Amino acid sequence: EVQLVQSGAEVKKPGDSLKISCQGPDYSFSSDWIGWVRQRPGKGLEWMGIIYGGDSDTRYSPSFEGQVTISADISKSTAYLQWSSLKASDTAMYYCGRIEMATFDSWGQGTQVTVSS
Amino acid sequence: QSVLTQPPSVSAAPGQKVTISCSGSSSNIADNYVSWYQQLPGAAPKLLIYDNDKRPSGIPDRFSGSKSGTSATLGITGLQTGDEADYYCGTWDSDLSDGVFGTGTKVTVL
Repeated sequence: EVQLVQSGAEVKKPGDSLKISCQGPDYSFSSDWIGWVRQRPGKGLEWMGIIYGGDSDTRYSPSFEGQVTISADISKSTAYLQWSSLKASDTAMYYCGRIEMATFDSWGQGTQVTVSS
Repeated sequence: QSVLTQPPSVSAAPGQKVTISCSGSSSNIADNYVSWYQQLPGAAPKLLIYDNDKRPSGIPDRFSGSKSGTSATLGITGLQTGDEADYYCGTWDSDLSDGVFGTGTKVTVL
């Protein structure tokens, strides 16, 4: 199992920008897909999008297209999820994970994002 | 709104068996591998079953998976209090070109 370490909890105001990270300290993303999953309070898992480490090919789920940006820095073995203007409805736990054949086989510990005025 | 439907909750006494269904369609479950995840309270999800019926290293054989047509099933035998968690199915949807998760099922050990 691959270890993925996510950045810490964030508290932001509506309209703020934010970039959270997911690092694989002991492995290279270069031949893997990394995905992001949203879990709103008390709700289920939602597939947000994925990025291929080798060439940064990125695919977004329709609900998240245009709402977030997924990127990666292979030299740092780190994937990112960012917002340019947060809304209260972005309050959620966000998980990253390594994907193999549409299966998340390793998960980060999660990053709590709270957006409140 | 998820395209994969699971029962909201199932329950059984310790030592008993529970099954969790995951109902989809020809474009997702019927056409692709299904995986199952366990999410303990306050924790990140964890892979339990992949490729319909395979267990990752370290997952006890009390957990099993199967698939038939447009539905998949997770079985848990010898239920333990430590199995109390939310369980999600997941797969790829060929029509949506997107990954999808089930609605989630809460398992309660009575």
